[in-house]
Amino acid sequence: GEDVEQSLFLSVREGDSSVINCTYTDSSSTYLYWYKQEPGAGLQLLTYIFSNMDMKQDQRLTVLLNKKDKHLSLRIADTQTGDSAIYFCAESRGGGADGLTFGKGTHLIIQP
Amino acid sequence: DAGVIQSPRHEVTEMGQEVTLRCKPISGHNSLFWYRQTMMRGLELLIYFNNNVPIDDSGMPEDRFSAKMPNASFSTLKIQPSEPRDSAVYFCASRPDNANEKLFFGSGTQLSVL
Repeated sequence: GEDVEQSLFLSVREGDSSVINCTYTDSSSTYLYWYKQEPGAGLQLLTYIFSNMDMKQDQRLTVLLNKKDKHLSLRIADTQTGDSAIYFCAESRGGGADGLTFGKGTHLIIQP
Repeated sequence: DAGVIQSPRHEVTEMGQEVTLRCKPISGHNSLFWYRQTMMRGLELLIYFNNNVPIDDSGMPEDRFSAKMPNASFSTLKIQPSEPRDSAVYFCASRPDNANEKLFFGSGTQLSVL
């Protein structure tokens, strides 16, 4: 199976919360990341969590990590039209020297 | 800092032609990565350099692909000869050694091989 898996699409109404889920396989990952890609642009680091943490909150963003289940989620509160983008989950391998492994990305679609 | 700079932004070429993609990493960043993005396969790591030395090129699809980093501020990814299946967005990313894997991406080069 794939190393990092995500749903391809998520549709939410403006003002609602968005929850994007991700599963990964490498239990030795030191950090887990969420990147955002807007149309025609490169990936921009949104937030990250250290593997010994369960939760991290940063303004409208909440990251939850369930290390036992190798499950990572990103919650965006009060979703706005500007949040429309592709969101990538990524894991670093042990030691991290070989870069990140990305999921295929979740397209977040905002309905008015 | 201007961030990671890639050129060109768009490249359209005919099958069989040589293509060269360029990248200028953020000053002071020791590691540089080349990724390829397609709808089918998502983001694939092609090769990465540390202190200008190629560390892992196992992601390079085949011998038609080559990458160089002659100095700390410049890298190229070359495809020769190009094929239609090489059409993709190619991203360059860099990071300093102490960045806990946080990668900084360029805007990418959209390559279309006709």
